[in-house]
Amino acid sequence: KQEVTQIPAALSVPEGENLVLNCSFTDSAIYNLQWFRQDPGKGLTSLLLIQSSQREQTSGRLNASLDKSSGRSTLYIAASQPGDSATYLCAVMISGGSNYKLTFGKGTLLTVNP
Amino acid sequence: ETGVTQSPTHLIKTRGQQVTLRCSSQSGHNTVSWYQQALGQGPQFIFQYYREEENGRGNFPPRFSGLQFPNYSSELNVNALELDDSALYLCASSLELSGNEQFFGPGTRLTVL
Repeated sequence: KQEVTQIPAALSVPEGENLVLNCSFTDSAIYNLQWFRQDPGKGLTSLLLIQSSQREQTSGRLNASLDKSSGRSTLYIAASQPGDSATYLCAVMISGGSNYKLTFGKGTLLTVNP
Repeated sequence: ETGVTQSPTHLIKTRGQQVTLRCSSQSGHNTVSWYQQALGQGPQFIFQYYREEENGRGNFPPRFSGLQFPNYSSELNVNALELDDSALYLCASSLELSGNEQFFGPGTRLTVL
């Protein structure tokens, strides 16, 4: 059974700091890995998707890496801003026979202080 | 191109009642997946529909059921509501039954009293 773990559960940093969020998964047989952002009480906003054959993806101040063999991914946020405060979720797509589903971690709650 | 939409936005029900949540998939997407996100948890896979057929479900009891219509929109039905069913219900659509990216709707917040 695929399990996804995110460390740390919560993180508080001052504005301008660079930071790394970690995600690990137990089964390397994944199709892709995705990082999402979730604001309180809201739905999911997709940030980056890394296909299983890729090593990293970048979008603006965000960079996500994937090491499938070791079951790890990191999300790097450069020059953090108060607007980055949210919960960040990592999810891996796996095949459960004929269906394709996402397995999520519990998220990292990020607070960026002005 | 219209994204994934869900209705209603919020819903309050009492224990034992039944509820229907609705999802319209992104244009051209024929696969819909439903997820339940309890407070403080990551979303959990409920089931997936492909071309109007259920195509796999997670660890949810039979009182969670669904439908997919010819236009690929979908419904999630929950019977005999329990307090623990209070959660954010997320719908995601994707293109074909494959490892393609799933695109999420804004969710429906269900509160069971």
